[in-house]
Amino acid sequence: EIVLTQSPATLSLSPGERATLSCRASQSVSSYLAWYQQKPGQAPRLLIYDASNRATGIPARFSGSGSGTDFTLTISSLEPEDFAVYYCQQRSNWPKWTFGQGTKVEIK
Amino acid sequence: EVQLVESGGGLVQPGRSLRLSCAASGFTFDDYAMHWVRQAPGKGLEWVSGISWNSGSIGYADSVKGRFTISRDNAKNSLYLQMNSLRAEDTALYYCAKDIEWELLGKGAFDIWGQGTMVTVSS
Repeated sequence: EIVLTQSPATLSLSPGERATLSCRASQSVSSYLAWYQQKPGQAPRLLIYDASNRATGIPARFSGSGSGTDFTLTISSLEPEDFAVYYCQQRSNWPKWTFGQGTKVEIK
Repeated sequence: EVQLVESGGGLVQPGRSLRLSCAASGFTFDDYAMHWVRQAPGKGLEWVSGISWNSGSIGYADSVKGRFTISRDNAKNSLYLQMNSLRAEDTALYYCAKDIEWELLGKGAFDIWGQGTMVTVSS
C-alpha cells in the first residue's frame, strides 16, 4: 500500500499569508495525485487533480505541483474561507487508492 | 443542479447487514465512474470502493473486500453499497462521490460529493 504523509499536521497562518502544504508518497505515484479541501460539517471539495490541474471553479490562488513522490499544494494568499483541512489522494495503485492524513490550516 | 444524495445509513448490530443508496441527478450518470468514500468520526478520509461506468471494473479497499459489494443501476441513476458482516470499525459517514473519468484510471479525481449517510455499528 502506498502511504501518503502530509506535513505539517497543522499550519497556523494569518489571512493574506502564503500556505505551503506537502504530501509525500512512500513510492512513486507519477502525477496521479489530487487535493481536496474539507470544512467542518461539509463534504470534501476537489481542488487539484493530476497533481497540477485546478478543478472547475477553483480560484487561481490554489496551485498544485510535483510528481513522483513529492507534491505541494500552495495557497498564494489565504482568504478567510480557506481555513480548513486539506487532504491529498493518490490513484496510482488500483485498487489501493489512499488518502493522506490531512493538514489543518488554522487561523493564527 | 448536479447532486448526489445518499440514504440507507443507521444503527446496526455487529455482524448484520446494511444497504446504502446514492441517487444522482444533474449529470449523465452512466458517463462516469462512481465511488464510496468513508470518514470515521473525527478521522480522515478512506476510499472504500469504486465502479466504472458500465460496471466492467470494480475495486475495493482491503478493509472491506469480501464483505462489501458495490453496484450501480444506470437506468435509475443510482449507486449502491451492500455492506455485510459489519464491524465496529465500519462506523463512519459514507460519502458517494462522482469521478471525473468514466473508467477507474490513475488520472482523475472525485469532483462531486454527496453529504453522506452515517453508519453506526454497535450492539
